[in-house]
Amino acid sequence: DVQLLESGGGLVQPGGSLRLSCAASGFTFSHYAMNWVRQAPGKGLEWVSLVLGGGSRTEYADSVKGRFTISRENSKNTLYLQMNSLGAEDTAVYFCAKDGSGSDVSPYYFDHWGQGIPVTVSS
Amino acid sequence: QSALTQPASVSGSPGQSITISCTGTSSDVGGYKYVSWYQQHQGKAPKLMIYDVSTRPSGVSNRFSGSKSGNTASLTISGLQAEDEADYYCNSYTSRGTLVFGRGTKLTVL
Repeated sequence: DVQLLESGGGLVQPGGSLRLSCAASGFTFSHYAMNWVRQAPGKGLEWVSLVLGGGSRTEYADSVKGRFTISRENSKNTLYLQMNSLGAEDTAVYFCAKDGSGSDVSPYYFDHWGQGIPVTVSS
Repeated sequence: QSALTQPASVSGSPGQSITISCTGTSSDVGGYKYVSWYQQHQGKAPKLMIYDVSTRPSGVSNRFSGSKSGNTASLTISGLQAEDEADYYCNSYTSRGTLVFGRGTKLTVL
């Protein structure tokens, strides 16, 4: 079975940094694009970032571009999200989500999700 | 990238059918076959219900169906059941090579 397990969340001060990790199992990790999706308290889902299976392409939502960096370590079956210059607007539950298409061009939908990890930005 | 437009809420009685719309532009919904739908129960991770506009993943009830016309995609749930009460989100690939979600629709089963 596919499993995605996020870690690294918590409370951070405004302007601070945090690195999220997502440990994957149950599939050939390097064959699939991966994504981060977040959900602010009481709000809807927001796509944050993607990285292709080999890491050759990354994309970001305008709201995080220049502050967040997505990466992956295929030898460890792990996805990362480095978050810098955090603000209150980044407070959310962060989900890692696996691409279901298997495309080497782009993820097109999310077939498996982690349980989510909360990030709170507050002084 | 602006969020796709969905109604904030819809409701229906058990056994009835409901449709949730998802409106975008020719740069996302209208330009690609890559529209997907997700069900999210309170406090849970989202679950994939439809991908590629109208394809149901294995294990998803055939009461769920998807379609698209122009810049608007739709999710139809027939034979409403109490367990269908949840939030529903559409998602689309975009011309920028990114993805975008709808604002979400709260489904209430009366």
